Amino acid sequence: QVQLKESGPGLVQPSQTLSLTCTVSGFSLTSYNVHWVRQPPGKGLEWMGRMRYNGDTSYNSALKSRLSISRDTSKNQVFLKMNSLQTDDTGTYYCTREDYWGQGVMVTVSS
Amino acid sequence: DIVMTQGALPNPVPSGESASITCQSSKSLLHSNGKTYLNWYLQRPGQSPQLLIYWMSTRASGVSDRFSGSGSGTDFTLKISSVEAEDVGVYYCQQFLEYPRTFGGGTKLELK
Repeated sequence: QVQLKESGPGLVQPSQTLSLTCTVSGFSLTSYNVHWVRQPPGKGLEWMGRMRYNGDTSYNSALKSRLSISRDTSKNQVFLKMNSLQTDDTGTYYCTREDYWGQGVMVTVSS
Repeated sequence: DIVMTQGALPNPVPSGESASITCQSSKSLLHSNGKTYLNWYLQRPGQSPQLLIYWMSTRASGVSDRFSGSGSGTDFTLKISSVEAEDVGVYYCQQFLEYPRTFGGGTKLELK
């Protein structure tokens, strides 16, 4: 069955870089798009960016200067890297195929 | 960017009653192919969002037929007939016509 699972550090210091991995199963990254969406505590959903099935990427313009999405199709993984983290980057980060979502990973930005 | 605006519910909703959640987009989501590029999600407390409705009115696999979606190109409604305890959570509309994808601010459903 289709599954997505996020992994990464739960705590990141301000100004540092966040690195997250989305490991997928049950489908091929060369056939489906995978998106990253985040949610600050108690707030709504924000689309961050997308890895297209053909390897193209698209980013939220508000995050574009700090964000990079890449993949390793041999490992069925999609990666998110975001630099210059601040406290308002705290939240739950999801990878999603839009019809299926990962469980999310909580990231806290704090010294 | 397409702005998605959701209405509020007169919470709490009595169990067994129906509830309608509205969503409005700043641009028509009706494509020339005849499909309307709108999703509805439910995020139950402590869980990830779950897809309920896509193409504005098509129920996702395994979703109860108590959920139905309707609308035009810019005005949309998610109707929940006979609300149950498992329907509690926050509902989001999302457009997938273009990038960046955008979500409504969410509509909370509480049960009486």
